[in-house]
Amino acid sequence: NAGVMQNPRHLVRRRGQEARLRCSPMKGHSHVYWYRQLPEEGLKFMVYLQKENIIDESGMPKERFSAEFPKEGPSILRIQQVVRGDSAAYFCASSPPAGGSYNEQFFGPGTRLTVL
Amino acid sequence: SQKIEQNSEALNIQEGKTATLTCNYTNYSPAYLQWYRQDPGRGPVFLLLIRENEKEKRKERLKVTFDTTLKQSLFHITASQPADSATYLCALGTGSTLGRLYFGRGTQLTVWP
Repeated sequence: NAGVMQNPRHLVRRRGQEARLRCSPMKGHSHVYWYRQLPEEGLKFMVYLQKENIIDESGMPKERFSAEFPKEGPSILRIQQVVRGDSAAYFCASSPPAGGSYNEQFFGPGTRLTVL
Repeated sequence: SQKIEQNSEALNIQEGKTATLTCNYTNYSPAYLQWYRQDPGRGPVFLLLIRENEKEKRKERLKVTFDTTLKQSLFHITASQPADSATYLCALGTGSTLGRLYFGRGTQLTVWP
């Protein structure tokens, strides 16, 4: 059973470009979470999605950032008009549908975004 | 303001000793607490979960305690090995923010032979 997959692993963008980060959850998992990790800081929650629904996006900046988890295909975190401050490691995690909020979360390897 | 504080300094211990990591929180009402391990360049890996009504949990060489009065969790690794060297993260989950985890910055543990 493959783990959580994220691609690309490394992404370099120039200021003003768009960044698209993809996450395929573990098989059978229908809950996806995105976190951002800045250097020397802890993981910060961004958004929690289930298939075709955004459950909690309170950690996501209101502008330039969006996330989706379509019925088919991976979850996408999209950052428009990137700025240098967006440079960070972005982690996706997934959890199974059963068990409510007590589920452990399975993390992917992350996408390291560098904005030049 | 809400805070989650882990050992502020890196922790260095000798192989075979017990490593004890702390996680203190302020202005949270966690329903549960989780501990993760993170190696450089990798995503966190789940280790243990403890609920608010539990005092202690064990898994092999790992033990976690949870004191909601002190607002603190302790994470112990007994008979530590160099392979245990990593950053350890504590994460809180609350009943009101389903699924969302609040992470501390982590404690970097080094076990030397």
